[in-house]
Amino acid sequence: GAGVSQSPSNKVTEKGKDVELRCDPISGHTALYWYRQSLGQGLEFLIYFQGNSAPDKSGLPSDRFSAERTGGSVSTLTIQRTQQEDSAVYLCASSLEGWAGATYEQYFGPGTRLTVT
Amino acid sequence: AQSVTQLDSQVPVFEEAPVELRCNYSSSVSVYLFWYVQYPNQGLQLLLKYLSGSTLVKGINGFEAEFNKSQTSFHLRKPSVHISDTAEYFCAVSEPQGAQKLVFGQGTRLTINP
Repeated sequence: GAGVSQSPSNKVTEKGKDVELRCDPISGHTALYWYRQSLGQGLEFLIYFQGNSAPDKSGLPSDRFSAERTGGSVSTLTIQRTQQEDSAVYLCASSLEGWAGATYEQYFGPGTRLTVT
Repeated sequence: AQSVTQLDSQVPVFEEAPVELRCNYSSSVSVYLFWYVQYPNQGLQLLLKYLSGSTLVKGINGFEAEFNKSQTSFHLRKPSVHISDTAEYFCAVSEPQGAQKLVFGQGTRLTINP
């Protein structure tokens, strides 16, 4: 079946502009994660959505970053007033619902490479 | 909070030789442990995971890892590598409850030379 898809695959933007990154999770997966992969910081957790629960935003680096998940499926990560340090690969992952005692594999998308000039 | 240290940023190995990629973690609570592989220009793929039980875990592509609680390590091994194993390998941990978000190490670039 189809895996996690992300769009665009590459995005070049000017400093100060807003960008939106999209993630389509695997159908039926209720958990969705965003991570960021950068040269300086490695792979970092950003935000987690699980069903109708309030998202875990503990990894968002600043209030310029926000994300939403509509209808329990597609998610959009928005970065406002982009800065050069936002340049990174943004990875989305989805999994079946997790609960205590069970861990389901997180399936990763190919990522969106964001370059802020 | 958890942290993961991958002791080698790069590991060059000759084809058909054995390899070990080292991973140590720090956590005040019990954790789940994972190894992911990232091939060039691709997303992350799960190689194997340790949740509980046997400390020797076998994964895909002939890889295995051993959980050592006393040394807080989860080293990845393969007895004979192939050119196609050239990739970046990430060790990660997560808490068993809650979001189960992954905390990653810095990665080890494995290069297989013919």
